[in-house]
Amino acid sequence: DTGVSQNPRHKITKRGQNVTFRCDPISEHNRLYWYRQTLGQGPEFLTYFQNEAQLEKSRLLSDRFSAERPKGSFSTLEIQRTEQGDSAMYLCASSLSIAGGLPYNEQFFGPGTRLTVL
Amino acid sequence: ELKVEQNPLFLSMQEGKNYTIYCNYSTTSDRLYWYRQDPGKSLESLFVLLSNGAVKQEGRLMASLDTKARLSTLHITAAVHDLSATYFCAVDGKGRNNDMRFGAGTRLTVKP
Repeated sequence: DTGVSQNPRHKITKRGQNVTFRCDPISEHNRLYWYRQTLGQGPEFLTYFQNEAQLEKSRLLSDRFSAERPKGSFSTLEIQRTEQGDSAMYLCASSLSIAGGLPYNEQFFGPGTRLTVL
Repeated sequence: ELKVEQNPLFLSMQEGKNYTIYCNYSTTSDRLYWYRQDPGKSLESLFVLLSNGAVKQEGRLMASLDTKARLSTLHITAAVHDLSATYFCAVDGKGRNNDMRFGAGTRLTVKP
């Protein structure tokens, strides 16, 4: 399977603990996105990378959240001192953007990591 | 700020019936996407609409885009149970590939 993969698929943690999620994008994709999705809502943009550079962060991304993509391939999203309000599905997506290429940004999503903070 | 609104949010249909889901957005954009999400699964790309008047069809689903009205529609023809899912539209803020905003989704249930 050459799609976007995410690990773990489910994570249950206690409030105050730190958690880290991993995303492996489609191999030739240079852009990687993190979204958060709560029940009954659409995905909300958190941050995105082009190669290893983090180019944008949403105001939703508090200072307890940090994301990295050290080698321009996989990415990690860490949440420190988790709160119950962090409970959500965390989705990763990737896309290919090349100069002079496709004029749109079709993103391909991974299966998500469901976080439950007790 | 770019806002995307879908309606209805919940839709229960009988098999064989037709219906339309609407997606309105608040600022100029000429790139609109439709995704499908099954329960507990990720989002699957259905359509990419790139220009005013664009129409795309796949099976029983047809999507269209009116950029002047800032409106996209997803039309379902002769619904079948397999179409039961949540459908999201998403819009790129113009010129900003990193600013895709999603609607809240339309949860479609097709009953026999």
